[in-house]
Amino acid sequence: DAGVIQSPRHEVTEMGQEVTLRCKPISGHDYLFWYRQTMMRGLELLIYFNNNVPIDDSGMPEDRFSAKMPNASFSTLKIQPSEPRDSAVYFCASSFRTDNSPLHFGNGTRLTVT
Amino acid sequence: GNSVTQMEGPVTLSEEAFLTINCTYTATGYPSLFWYVQYPGEGLQLLLKATKADDKGSNKGFEATYRKETTSFHLEKGSVQVSDSAVYFCALSGGAQKLVFGQGTRLTINP
Repeated sequence: DAGVIQSPRHEVTEMGQEVTLRCKPISGHDYLFWYRQTMMRGLELLIYFNNNVPIDDSGMPEDRFSAKMPNASFSTLKIQPSEPRDSAVYFCASSFRTDNSPLHFGNGTRLTVT
Repeated sequence: GNSVTQMEGPVTLSEEAFLTINCTYTATGYPSLFWYVQYPGEGLQLLLKATKADDKGSNKGFEATYRKETTSFHLEKGSVQVSDSAVYFCALSGGAQKLVFGQGTRLTINP
């Protein structure tokens, strides 16, 4: 089991550019989550999917953010256009169906927008 | 709504000291409670969990007991090691697989 795989590990981009973050969940997991971590706000849930369907996107900060899950083994989080305040570490996590199943996190993508 | 409050850090201890990181929660119903740990440059990973009142979760020498009467889930370890240096997050299940995390407590253990 390779765990949750995120790419890239680091992304540096200029304000106004489009950024795409990628995630491959653990095979067989029904749920996929996108989190953002900053010093100021801690860990924030942005959106989560169940069986590839977005269930709750209330944490997505603005229309500049969008997420897709075209199949069970791939998801993307896109920011267009990016702004300096989007600088953070973005984590993808996946889990099985039950409420007590632990989340398995990837190692994150550190995004810096200059 | 559901929320988790953790003891503010950072916490710095010497090796072999006793560790307590406080966590209290507010929730409707009977949530499950979790401690996650984040090592530098990595994602969070589950440390331990408890699914009902009076349950004790334990792993790697860490323990936490689900106390419904005090709405607490404090993390303890009898003798910490340098390798325990990390950020620790308390969390509760908010239903439908949504975890609510505390703000995290950074722990540094000095040799």
